[in-house]
Amino acid sequence: AQSVTQPDIHITVSEGASLELRCNYSYGATPYLFWYVQSPGQGLQLLLKYFSGDTLVQGIKGFEAEFKRSQSSFNLRKPSVHWSDAAEYFCAATRKGILTGGGNKLTFGTGTQLKVEL
Amino acid sequence: SAVISQKPSRDICQRGTSLTIQCQVDSQVTMMFWYRQQPGQSLTLIATANQGSEATYESGFVIDKFPISRPNLTFSTLTVSNLSPEDSSIYLCSVETSAVYEQYFGPGTRLTVT
Repeated sequence: AQSVTQPDIHITVSEGASLELRCNYSYGATPYLFWYVQSPGQGLQLLLKYFSGDTLVQGIKGFEAEFKRSQSSFNLRKPSVHWSDAAEYFCAATRKGILTGGGNKLTFGTGTQLKVEL
Repeated sequence: SAVISQKPSRDICQRGTSLTIQCQVDSQVTMMFWYRQQPGQSLTLIATANQGSEATYESGFVIDKFPISRPNLTFSTLTVSNLSPEDSSIYLCSVETSAVYEQYFGPGTRLTVT
């Protein structure tokens, strides 16, 4: 079965420190991968996506993610965290390929809650 | 991208009643999706709504409980029927734009059932 795993439920970092949020996927074929951020009381905002090509992708707000096929991972990174980055982060995946009447179903991980200490 | 609004933003409903949630997009889109996010949980897809056809429901979700309308390319509604406390969740709509595979989300509707 297709699944997305985010091993860390909560992460706390100091402002200015670097950040890495982990995401592992299990898909039969190469998936399309996404990172979303959800601030309190807000919907989900797309940070970045990976479809193919360069395995290091840049996103908004200074985030980047690296696709590693050998490790089935798509970890999110930021060199220097700002207090406003405190939020919940979701990794998601969908299967590359056939469009169906059911659309492209995103499978979400369980999320990682990021706390930033000042 | 797309700008998506949802109404209401939150509501408190009594057991046994229904709530209809509206989702409005600022551009025409083919695919609209409805998700549920239970407290402290991730997002679970309820159904996919294409304009002009019946919604496609995921396993565990049925039309009688979650009827969906999609009258045009910019609007959809989700009704949560016969409410129970277990329905207390955030309900989000999302759309897939011309950038296929990318989904953009509305701000969500927080439902509390008492």
